[in-house]
Amino acid sequence: KNEVEQSPQNLTAQEGEFITINCSYSVGISALHWLQQHPGGGIVSLFMLSSGKKKHGRLIATINIQEKHSSLHITASHPRDSAVYICAVRIMSGGAGSYQLTFGKGTKLSVIP
Amino acid sequence: EPEVTQTPSHQVTQMGQEVILRCVPISNHLYFYWYRQILGQKVEFLVSFYNNEISEKSEIFDDQFSVERPDGSNFTLKIRSTKLEDSAMYFCASSGLAGHTGELFFGEGSRLTVL
Repeated sequence: KNEVEQSPQNLTAQEGEFITINCSYSVGISALHWLQQHPGGGIVSLFMLSSGKKKHGRLIATINIQEKHSSLHITASHPRDSAVYICAVRIMSGGAGSYQLTFGKGTKLSVIP
Repeated sequence: EPEVTQTPSHQVTQMGQEVILRCVPISNHLYFYWYRQILGQKVEFLVSFYNNEISEKSEIFDDQFSVERPDGSNFTLKIRSTKLEDSAMYFCASSGLAGHTGELFFGEGSRLTVL
């Protein structure tokens, strides 16, 4: 059974710090998603990756398919970045991507002013 | 910006009652999903739906659950006889043409509390 492991589980940072959240998975995937879950519970999709690197504003996501690892970076962190960040993967099955997502447990980020 | 909307935001029900959670996906999307998150746990896949039929479902999605797209805009999740362990946040999501490679858009969730 595929497991998606995230580290750290909890992260507290001072405003302005550079933040890295890591995600490792154990089987072949067709895509990896980074999601942000607000304190109220809503989920927002940040990135979908199948290779390389993507950047959106202060957020950068990278993936290394060979090493089965992805990172989410936040530059110049701000208190409004405080949320749970979730890694989720689409498992490759039968040569095509599954419709299912397998989720990590999330990383709770708190950015202190 | 287009968004996925879910109703109700919170529903409280008695064990054994039927519950219908509603979702309006983004209008030109073709792939629809339900996920759930029990309090304090990770998000879990329930079911995917394309072309008016279920594409994939998880072990959680047993005979008590059903999905429907009754009118071309709404996408519903029905739980026939709720159990205490069905208490969770239920998220609807949709994606565009390339379902298993497309970006997902989530609704704000429907919190179900079963008493």
